[in-house]
Amino acid sequence: AQSVSQHNHHVILSEAASLELGCNYSYGGTVNLFWYVQYPGQHLQLLLKYFSGDPLVKGIKGFEAEFIKSKFSFNLRKPSVQWSDTAEYFCAVNAAGNKLTFGGGTRVLVKP
Amino acid sequence: EADIYQTPRYLVIGTGKKITLECSQTMGHDKMYWYQQDPGMELHLIHYSYGVNSTEKGDLSSESTVSRIRTEHFPLTLESARPSHTSQYLCASRTGVTTEAFFGQGTRLTVV
Repeated sequence: AQSVSQHNHHVILSEAASLELGCNYSYGGTVNLFWYVQYPGQHLQLLLKYFSGDPLVKGIKGFEAEFIKSKFSFNLRKPSVQWSDTAEYFCAVNAAGNKLTFGGGTRVLVKP
Repeated sequence: EADIYQTPRYLVIGTGKKITLECSQTMGHDKMYWYQQDPGMELHLIHYSYGVNSTEKGDLSSESTVSRIRTEHFPLTLESARPSHTSQYLCASRTGVTTEAFFGQGTRLTVV
């Protein structure tokens, strides 16, 4: 069965700091990978996705993620965060069939 | 803006009552999902459907049931609500495994 692990539950950092959130999945075949964000009081929305091609994908709001197949990882990065990046971030994987499985989420607090 | 709607947004109900949480989408998506999310916690997949008359159980065992009689409609039913069912329920839909899932605003259920 596919599963997704996000290593950090909570991250606190200051504005302009760099952010990297870890995501690992367990599935040996072809995967489609996603990062979603949930701002306070809002619904989940897509940040970026990977399904083939260049393993470095760029998303909205300056976020990017790198797919490393050998490490079963899809880490999210942003070089310089803003206060408005305060949110919860979820990694998700679609491997076998139609299931879309999410990780536990990482709550990010950016201090002004 | 995604066209996926959940009703009600908030529901407080007594133990033993039967409830149905509604989810509708107007995008013609064939795949639909129900997730359960406790505050600040991960999303657990409880049900999904890949088309009319198809439903599957997700990763987290749930006493709820679902139906998919029409493409646009994917209601979730609890025959006898219990306090342990108190949670937020999120509905999502998408077209294919490489496409993003669109989420509704969620239904926050409290069983007293």
